[in-house]
Amino acid sequence: DIQMTQSPSFLSASVGDRVTINCKASQNINKYLNWYQQKLGEAPKRLIYNTNNLQTGIPSRFSGSGSGTDYTLTISSLQPEDFATYFCLQHNSLYTFGAGTKLELK
Amino acid sequence: AVQLVESGGGLVQPKESLKISCAASGFTFSNAAMYWVRQAPGKGLEWVARIRTKPNNYATYYADSVKGRFTISRDDSKSMVYLQMDNLKTEDTAMYYCTAMGDWGQGVMVTVSS
Repeated sequence: DIQMTQSPSFLSASVGDRVTINCKASQNINKYLNWYQQKLGEAPKRLIYNTNNLQTGIPSRFSGSGSGTDYTLTISSLQPEDFATYFCLQHNSLYTFGAGTKLELK
Repeated sequence: AVQLVESGGGLVQPKESLKISCAASGFTFSNAAMYWVRQAPGKGLEWVARIRTKPNNYATYYADSVKGRFTISRDDSKSMVYLQMDNLKTEDTAMYYCTAMGDWGQGVMVTVSS
């Protein structure tokens, strides 16, 4: 089974900051990596699919990159509505979520 | 707009069974693989099951944690996907989401407790 190691678990930042969240797979996942945002009490929302494809309707301040085993979600300039929990998901071999990154207001 | 609406959750005792449902609309359901993903209270997301489409023989896949106890099925004529959960354990307590991985329902709570 593929394991996903997501870091950091917690991240404190301010409005306007640039932040990055990382996911490392235990083996090559061939860019089959999605990113999701989840707010308290809500269902997850897909932001990015297959490493770097922006979901329709998602602001361009969100971007994804990576290859092989290492992947990154970048938010270029944090907005108040971005404070949430973020998860990665590999779908190269079955499905494994990262443990999540809680992004909090500093 | 895509809508996924789960139903059928509730409180059950360990070893009991429960079937949850998901009604889909706003997309060509028969062309979409469907999934169940769960989230225990205060925890992360866990993929549970997947069912493919008719051209792929409705193939099913399960997480090891539920294999042999849970069964995913679909009815394309009704745009419905189901999860039959047997021999439930306390660790199955979670919010269960129906998803096509892009779009998600709001979830249904399943609580397993004596």
